[in-house]
Amino acid sequence: DGGITQSPKYLFRKEGQNVTLSCEQNLNHDAMYWYRQDPGQGLRLIYYSQIVNDFQKGDIAEGYSVSREKKESFPLTVTSAQKNPTAFYLCASSTGTAIYGYTFGSGTRLTVV
Amino acid sequence: SQQGEEDPQALSIQEGENATMNCSYKTSINNLQWYRQNSGRGLVHLILIRSNEREKHSGRLRVTLDTSKKSSSLLITASRAADTASYFCATGGRETSGSRLTFGEGTQLTVNP
Repeated sequence: DGGITQSPKYLFRKEGQNVTLSCEQNLNHDAMYWYRQDPGQGLRLIYYSQIVNDFQKGDIAEGYSVSREKKESFPLTVTSAQKNPTAFYLCASSTGTAIYGYTFGSGTRLTVV
Repeated sequence: SQQGEEDPQALSIQEGENATMNCSYKTSINNLQWYRQNSGRGLVHLILIRSNEREKHSGRLRVTLDTSKKSSSLLITASRAADTASYFCATGGRETSGSRLTFGEGTQLTVNP
């Protein structure tokens, strides 16, 4: 079955550490996205990529980095520069025009300990 | 960036009643989409309405779009306890590139058995 997989489901980060969240899709979608969701809030766009080897900053890119070396994969690194990383992170993918909407993964909950 | 704003923030109804949620946005759009999120899960695409459409149906869902008022509504008829979730509108803009969507902050719907 086609879908989008995020791992891990739960992640704990110590102060000063970088951590990487995985996102893989087998839908043959060109575009992929990372969103952050805080409790009771909407989604805020971190980074997005519309084609391999290219990506753009979203509204809250500071303290995050991404790569898009393969069509199927769009990992997100939360760096130590992100001062408040505790949140629910959602990855999504779509066709180039998103005319059928986004397909979302099940999310990674990141907690700073 | 343009942003959808949902109204109300929270809605509590009895099973069998209809639920109506509203979304307003600020700039011109190509399309507007509605998503559902169960607690702690990813979002699921429900329905997309294009800027040249006024109404669309899918099962128990009815979406309307009024581009002159920059607003949309989602109606869920004959609600069930399983409809309990957060509902988000998302807009794809004429000015933004490709497939980028901007999400509102959501309406939390509770359907009481």
